Amino acid sequence: KAGVTQTPRYLIKTRGQQVTLSCSPISGHRSVSWYQQTPGQGLQFLFEYFSETQRNKGNFPGRFSGRQFSNSRSEMNVSTLELGDSALYLCASAGQGNSPLHFGNGTRLTVT
Amino acid sequence: AQKITQTQPGMFVQEKEAVTLDCTYDTSDQSYGLFWYKQPSSGEMIFLIYQGSYDEQNATEGRYSLNFQKARKSANLVISASQLGDSAMYFCAMRVPPGYALNFGKGTSLLVTP
Repeated sequence: KAGVTQTPRYLIKTRGQQVTLSCSPISGHRSVSWYQQTPGQGLQFLFEYFSETQRNKGNFPGRFSGRQFSNSRSEMNVSTLELGDSALYLCASAGQGNSPLHFGNGTRLTVT
Repeated sequence: AQKITQTQPGMFVQEKEAVTLDCTYDTSDQSYGLFWYKQPSSGEMIFLIYQGSYDEQNATEGRYSLNFQKARKSANLVISASQLGDSAMYFCAMRVPPGYALNFGKGTSLLVTP
């Protein structure tokens, strides 16, 4: 099975712009979640989608949004970028029950 | 709210030795899952081991075992026979159903020396 695929791998944006990150989960996985990783704050949960519905949301401002499509692929959008949004954004998918989250390789976003 | 605490920012271990990475958690939920992930310098997150709150036996996966002490709310990762390739960041995480949101600790950086 193919793993979780995130695109793009690297992104450089300017403050004030917006960005969209993409995630394709493992085939058959209906849950997709997003995490932000920074040296200062560590790994923080952004949101989780299951069958196109947001099931959980972390403590992030409304500039961070996401969606999931009928094929379980997910996108994450950040509007009005700030310097502090520079981070590694990780997407993960999960199957059923107690199955672990499988992570993609991440998108490294740099905001200048 | 759930909280994961990893008190060891960095650890050193000699090759072939065993090492224990500490993790304590705080939750008022009865049903939860505990996970350990490894993150090498390449950035990928690799699942290592899982322990459910109702599991009576400690989880084991090859050289990894989880020392689960429910009353103490601890879930320490034990790596036996360390290898140079074990050098990485290690994260403890907790999931409280429903959903698959993980709450991560700050991580422990492990360096395995020859």
